[in-house]
Amino acid sequence: DIVMTQSPDSLAVSLGERATINCKSSQSVLYSSKNKNYFSWYQQKPGQPPKVLIYWASTRESGVPDRFSGSGSGTDFTLTISSLQAEDVAVYYCQQYYSTPYSFGQGTKLEIK
Amino acid sequence: EVQLVQSGAEVKKPGESLKISCKGSGYRFPNYWIGWVRQMPGKALEWMGIIYPGDSDTTYSPSFQGQVTISADKSISTAYLQWSSLKASDTALYYCARHGDSRSRHYYFDYWGQGTLVTVSS
Repeated sequence: DIVMTQSPDSLAVSLGERATINCKSSQSVLYSSKNKNYFSWYQQKPGQPPKVLIYWASTRESGVPDRFSGSGSGTDFTLTISSLQAEDVAVYYCQQYYSTPYSFGQGTKLEIK
Repeated sequence: EVQLVQSGAEVKKPGESLKISCKGSGYRFPNYWIGWVRQMPGKALEWMGIIYPGDSDTTYSPSFQGQVTISADKSISTAYLQWSSLKASDTALYYCARHGDSRSRHYYFDYWGQGTLVTVSS
């Protein structure tokens, strides 16, 4: 099974500042023949189901603000929020869908400093 | 509009059986993989398995294989997650979610149900 490890576990950032969350997979999730990373980021606010933010490692879901961006390839990935807003307080999860089970990371709790 | 509507909260005793549901609408239900995700209280998301309603092709996480059964009835656009003998450790919020592509099993979840809270307590 592929193990997804996020860092940090929690993060406090001031409003308007940049927030960076990392995720490392125990093996590559890059499907070479398609040149695609089978990797996504989700945001989960309290009392709500998760919502996809980024897929294929760097493609923003429709309607997601452009302050959210994803980068990385192979085994190392990053979610960046360029200018933190109050509504971004949430837990963020990474997921690989390269091979089953399509594992999630342990989550990163993002708060306002 | 794509929607996944899950059945309501359940309170059960250890050893009892349970089947929860997830009804899809607004899209061709047989043609999109549906997955189940567990979230224990205050914990992370756990991928349980997926089913293709068109032919009931199912893949389980090894962690959940033999512990639960995933099924679907394409005639009523509904997927199910069931237990034959619940344990206290099955207490969790369970989400269904849809894959974002009708052709590939390798995909992210683009739509999620609202979640079904299952509480198992004597």
